[in-house]
Amino acid sequence: ETGVTQTPRHLVMGMTNKKSLKCEQHLGHNAMYWYKQSAKKPLELMFVYSLEERVENNSVPSRFSPECPNSSHLFLHLHTLQPEDSALYLCASSSPWMGTRTSGSYNEQFFGPGTRLTVL
Amino acid sequence: ILNVEQSPQSLHVQEGDSTNFTCSFPSSNFYALHWYRWETAKSPEALFVMTLNGDEKKKGRISATLNTKEGYSYLYIKGSQPEDSATYLCAFRGGGTSYGKLTFGQGTILTVHP
Repeated sequence: ETGVTQTPRHLVMGMTNKKSLKCEQHLGHNAMYWYKQSAKKPLELMFVYSLEERVENNSVPSRFSPECPNSSHLFLHLHTLQPEDSALYLCASSSPWMGTRTSGSYNEQFFGPGTRLTVL
Repeated sequence: ILNVEQSPQSLHVQEGDSTNFTCSFPSSNFYALHWYRWETAKSPEALFVMTLNGDEKKKGRISATLNTKEGYSYLYIKGSQPEDSATYLCAFRGGGTSYGKLTFGQGTILTVHP
């Protein structure tokens, strides 16, 4: 149990549907991340929110729309997806880098279990 | 584009064998190297964060070393057990952001046979 939960765990949707993925962290972190893992590819960073402000958007198509209403919650709104968007979507959270590189916390990211998305 | 490579892609060993795998990453703008363990249907779990050249970290039967000058890290598992079966991910963090922007390798899938 990492303290990061994701719902739903599995989602099947048609290309014309609109759905949302939810992530919640109970760790007091102030940065949250969305990653995508497609088959046989590394985890790809999609979005980063730091202090509820989007600070990274890695050329993600606009059919994926993130929302971070507060530091504990992160959403990924999905609309008019394509079959190639089928993948595992992981959420993570972290605290700020503190201390020096010899001590302190190091932005260790804590992951949720993911949502397995299938687009038909 | 940052290149983080892990080898081998997969590994099958017998219970009791010791094993190791490699993560290679850019040697410039290095800030930290993370190792994660990911069991099927579970969350990736942090194993180590390594920041200084020559770092060695240990957790039970698992240990890791870091060489930032040549851009590689090794993960060792001593006396593998079936419960060690998982995907082992490494992730590179460069400098320049206060939050943790990680670039992941593809992972090494380890299967330990009883």
